[in-house]
Amino acid sequence: GAGVSQTPSNKVTEKGKYVELRCDPISGHTALYWYRQSLGQGPEFLIYFQGTGAADDSGLPNDRFFAVRPEGSVSTLKIQRTERGDSAVYLCASSLQADTQYFGPGTRLTVL
Amino acid sequence: KQEVTQIPAALSVPEGENLVLNCSFTDSAIYNLQWFRQDPGKGLTSLLLIQSSQREQTSGRLNASLDKSSGRSTLYIAASQPGDSATYLCAVRGGSNYKLTFGKGTLLTVNP
Repeated sequence: GAGVSQTPSNKVTEKGKYVELRCDPISGHTALYWYRQSLGQGPEFLIYFQGTGAADDSGLPNDRFFAVRPEGSVSTLKIQRTERGDSAVYLCASSLQADTQYFGPGTRLTVL
Repeated sequence: KQEVTQIPAALSVPEGENLVLNCSFTDSAIYNLQWFRQDPGKGLTSLLLIQSSQREQTSGRLNASLDKSSGRSTLYIAASQPGDSATYLCAVRGGSNYKLTFGKGTLLTVNP
């Protein structure tokens, strides 16, 4: 079956702009996660959804970051007033409850 | 706060060698530990998941062990091949939440 997909694969934007990153999880997976990976680092947790609700958003760095999952499937990570420090690869993963997390290919965000 | 450390940061070996990658974590109250592989510019591929009650897991040429009390895991790769060249990441899931905490990874190069 299809894995986790993320769009776009690459996004270049200017400082101060608004961006949206999309994640399509594996069909039937109730849990969805967003992570951010900076160059030379391991992924860092941002937010976790169980169904439609954000069960843990403790990793969101500040209030410029927001994520939604309105129908319990597709999720969108939204970043307002982007800064150069937001440049990273944003990874999405999904799982069946507490099982193995399956990751998408990521969105590489570059803020100029 | 959970911290995950991977040693070495980089490793270069000739084809055919057996090798061991190390992972340590500071909080032993984990639910499970996962080893991932990441190819350049790609997402993460899950290799092995070890539940906290298990001591090891095997898949093909890969064997992962877990010593929860000492906060350590190893990934053993037998008869390495050039196709094994990638970054290997270790991640732990805490006992009370679903998020993964990652190490920075070990960059493995297997030379033909």
